[in-house]
Amino acid sequence: SQQGEEDPQALSIQEGENATMNCSYKTSINNLQWYRQNSGRGLVHLILIRSNEREKHSGRLRVTLDTSKKSSSLLITASRAADTASYFCATVRSGNTPLVFGKGTRLSVIA
Amino acid sequence: DTGVSQDPRHKITKRGQNVTFRCDPISEHNRLYWYRQTLGQGPEFLTYFQNEAQLEKSRLLSDRFSAERPKGSFSTLEIQRTEQGDSAMYLCASSLASGVLYEQYFGPGTRLTVT
Repeated sequence: SQQGEEDPQALSIQEGENATMNCSYKTSINNLQWYRQNSGRGLVHLILIRSNEREKHSGRLRVTLDTSKKSSSLLITASRAADTASYFCATVRSGNTPLVFGKGTRLSVIA
Repeated sequence: DTGVSQDPRHKITKRGQNVTFRCDPISEHNRLYWYRQTLGQGPEFLTYFQNEAQLEKSRLLSDRFSAERPKGSFSTLEIQRTEQGDSAMYLCASSLASGVLYEQYFGPGTRLTVT
């Protein structure tokens, strides 16, 4: 079963605007990861944040993690049309457990 | 291309037929994962291998599904007596077994349509 729930399910913004996606999960985790999936393709790893971290940056991406609320957010700044994709959060409970994905947020960036 | 590859990319089959998919991971990765993804959903874990050992199987993996990784390199996923509910994208991923902090590299997927 899927642990994470992304919010919103779909998001449409203009190029240049910022996009924020949220993820909530149910159990304790070791780390949380965000992946991107272009239509009909495989997933691409974006960023990983450990349970003892609160914020992490990578280029135009900013991820926050609040373990007390069991939630994370992904911010994409200065969005581009090429950012149009589905974004998934995935959690890892411990070293040998597989990724558990949410249902994803479909982001559309309009040029 | 040194990424994860999957073959075939698309498969259409009639209900009741058997199908087999292949995944070639990144060569130095010793972990290999299979996921299933249906439309509008995130990937759901099916099974994973460390080298040739199958370490975990999901409850989603019914008796009609079998996966192998005979020499710790490529893997196959076979579905016997396919049903319409098996229609989905089957994704393969690989990673290094370097502890908890790993990222998985995904292949392009095999889209299965059961008619």
